[in-house]
Formats: sequence, C-alpha cells, structure tokens
Amino acid sequence: DTAVSQTPKYLVTQMGNDKSIKCEQNLGHDTMYWYKQDSKKFLKIMFSYNNKELIINETVPNRFSPKSPDKAHLNLHINSLELGDSAVYFCASSQGTSALQYFGPGTRLTVT
Amino acid sequence: DQQVKQNSPSLSVQEGRISILNCDYTNSMFDYFLWYKKYPAEGPTFLISISSIKDKNEDGRFTVFLNKSAKHLSLHIVPSQPGDSAVYFCAASGNSNSGYALNFGKGTSLLVTP
Repeated sequence: DTAVSQTPKYLVTQMGNDKSIKCEQNLGHDTMYWYKQDSKKFLKIMFSYNNKELIINETVPNRFSPKSPDKAHLNLHINSLELGDSAVYFCASSQGTSALQYFGPGTRLTVT
Repeated sequence: DQQVKQNSPSLSVQEGRISILNCDYTNSMFDYFLWYKKYPAEGPTFLISISSIKDKNEDGRFTVFLNKSAKHLSLHIVPSQPGDSAVYFCAASGNSNSGYALNFGKGTSLLVTP
C-alpha cells in the first residue's frame, strides 16, 4: 500500500542517453512534484503539476520534461544526459495548496 | 540563494537526552514550516509542522518552536532514542511566487548513541 512510488530506484546510464523516471501516488492527491537532491544533499524543487497542469517550472534545463498523463502520475523524461544530472530525484504529492507533501523513496541517477 | 538554513550539519546526543535541531530562514513570506526525517536510501517522511500563527506545536516526543521575529525555528526531541538517528530537514512554504514548493535546508544528521 505504498503511497508514493518511483521506478526505477537506481538508474545508471551513459552520457548522451535519454531516460525516464516514473512516479505514481495512490493518495488521491491532485498536486505532484519533482525535487532534485544534488551531491551537496540540497533538496530543490524542479517542477510541480496541479491537476495535470504545470504550475512550477524552476530554472531547469529544457532537457528535462515532465509529463503528467493523469493526476496520479508524474513522469520525468531527461534527454541527452550529462554528468551533472547525477543526483537523487524525489517525487512528491500533496492535496491542493497544502504544504504537507508526501515523498517517494527516490531514484538515484548516475551518469557515467 | 538558500532561503532556509540549517547551520549544524551533524549532532550527536546520548539516548534519553534532549536533541535540539535548529533552522533559520530569510523569506518573511514563509507561513508554514515542516520538519522531515530521512533515513538512508529512503524518501523524506513528514514529522511535524507549524503554522506562522503559532509559536509552538507538540506531538508526543517532538516539539517545534517558531520565533518569527528572529526567523528561527527549532525541533526538540525528548527523550531521544537510537531510532531517531536520521537526517532531519527543515522546510518552509509560503504563498509567494514559489507556488506550492517546499524550500529545504541542507539537513542535520542526528546520531543518538545508547
């Protein structure tokens, strides 16, 4: 009965490849997020979707493209991967404007 | 530009004693503050929160204090238990142009020793 799940948990790939990370929540929330935790352990917002509509798009390279097929899913597609993309990516969800967000287990992306 | 700061990267406390984790913020528009706990290879889990209209919120062994004038909050854990050993993140949210995003500090790694 996992609330927020992500696949895969680990992803190792070479520079220049394209990869996707999937996120699903079964909490009935209507807002979903992607955060990036870099090597300095700093968690930073990347995107936010509310009812499948993009509401936050921080200064993230356009190689990163979120896709929300429905309210329960928010996938992250990354084109032309670079070494600096190596990080842990966390998906989260919340209900409306509630600040209380529930996080997935994270996906550790390593670009070689 | 880091708006939430946790200046102590680590803290070690003996079991049974009080753990005090501190957090400072710079954005006066923040109106809701949360503490998350994170174990290795897991996602952050919500611990306790406080609205800016309050100065204290208590939940069992965990208490969060907010000093708005100083833009400072702290998390008190008493008594500390070995299972509390984890990284604790302070996060803040506001109705500013940050939308629904949480602004996180860099975390404090707490070690509770038996």
